[in-house]
Amino acid sequence: DQQVKQNSPSLSVQEGRISILNCDYTNSMFDYFLWYKKYPAEGPTFLISISSIKDKNEDGRFTVFLNKSAKHLSLHIVPSQPGDSAVYFCAAKGRGGSYIPTFGRGTSLIVHP
Amino acid sequence: KAGVTQTPRYLIKTRGQQVTLSCSPISGHRSVSWYQQTPGQGLQFLFEYFSETQRNKGNFPGRFSGRQFSNSRSEMNVSTLELGDSALYLCASSFQRGGYNEQFFGPGTRLTVL
Repeated sequence: DQQVKQNSPSLSVQEGRISILNCDYTNSMFDYFLWYKKYPAEGPTFLISISSIKDKNEDGRFTVFLNKSAKHLSLHIVPSQPGDSAVYFCAAKGRGGSYIPTFGRGTSLIVHP
Repeated sequence: KAGVTQTPRYLIKTRGQQVTLSCSPISGHRSVSWYQQTPGQGLQFLFEYFSETQRNKGNFPGRFSGRQFSNSRSEMNVSTLELGDSALYLCASSFQRGGYNEQFFGPGTRLTVL
């Protein structure tokens, strides 16, 4: 039973346009959410996070939105760049899971020049 | 500051063998977690070590084990390898355990079981 779901395995976007990556979760005990980016042959690197007390967090070109009632979060990348091409993992954690992050299966983003 | 290092980077084993993977955390980090990533799957949590003690364990069979040394370096061992154990094994370190501490991942060890 997947508690964190990324329903789109892949996403293709033109350079300069917006990339929107989506993530849904089922466990209401989750109160902290993270996005990681992973290039081939490298480990995931932390990108941005959001606490459940917020509904938006921004860091440069990256913005994460959280809709608690829908148990949904999204990562917006504006403008998208070819270097953003990577696999993006959504993760969630909270007291119920001893703060061990639960990861989604990832979305492969390809940004075309 | 050096990042998380994992050795070896690539490993090929046959069914029934055992394997030991090593992880050196970022200097000063005391928490080390291990994850398994298989194609099309997210990162599946294996276990977490802090101060040489296993603090949390994921839903994996007893063939998967680990330990942490006094210098915070960690090893994980998989005995009686099965084909399904072929995966990328990732180690992550953080300064403290739990809570909102950021985890830093190593590049992983790619294990292939033939």
